[in-house]
Amino acid sequence: DAGVTQSPTHLIKTRGQQVTLRCSPKSGHDTVSWYQQALGQGPQFIFQYYEEEERQRGNFPDRFSGHQFPNYSSELNVNALLLGDSALYLCASSLSGTVNYGYTFGSGTRLTVV
Amino acid sequence: GDSVTQMEGPVTLSEEAFLTINCTYTATGYPSLFWYVQYPGEGLQLLLKATKADDKGSNKGFEATYRKETTSFHLEKGSVQVSDSAVYFCALSNQAGTALIFGKGTTLSVSS
Repeated sequence: DAGVTQSPTHLIKTRGQQVTLRCSPKSGHDTVSWYQQALGQGPQFIFQYYEEEERQRGNFPDRFSGHQFPNYSSELNVNALLLGDSALYLCASSLSGTVNYGYTFGSGTRLTVV
Repeated sequence: GDSVTQMEGPVTLSEEAFLTINCTYTATGYPSLFWYVQYPGEGLQLLLKATKADDKGSNKGFEATYRKETTSFHLEKGSVQVSDSAVYFCALSNQAGTALIFGKGTTLSVSS
């Protein structure tokens, strides 16, 4: 049973560019959440997608946007990249969005902005 | 807002030593509490959780008890192994139970 799959594993972008990260949830899960983990910090919640809509959002600017597809997979888009966007981006999937049961993280995408 | 405070690391121990990593929280309502572990180059793995006051979560020799009176969820292990070397994160659920709020993490290094 495949867990949460994220792609790519690493990428390097230039300031001002746009980036798209992808996440496939664990089989049987319908909700995808995204987190940003800066170096030496704990992950911070960006937003959650359920039924193809953004259901909840953390304290991140509008440059961060997302999408969920009918197969429950999700994309995270970041526009106008800043050096400070360099981080590990983690995707977590779950059933109906609860963190209490089966909340599963992927291995992340390491984004470096130069 | 809700928040988690963890003891700063790194924590350096010899194999078979006793481990305590302190975690305290500030929250409205009654959150669930979690410990996650992150090995180098990997994502987060749930280590243990507790969903209500006085619950004890345990897994792989690690334990933590949800103490509402002291707003704490300290992680303990009686005898650490080299393979326990990792970063440990304490977290709580947001009020809706749909997102996690993490502490900054504590790096544990165990030597043989």
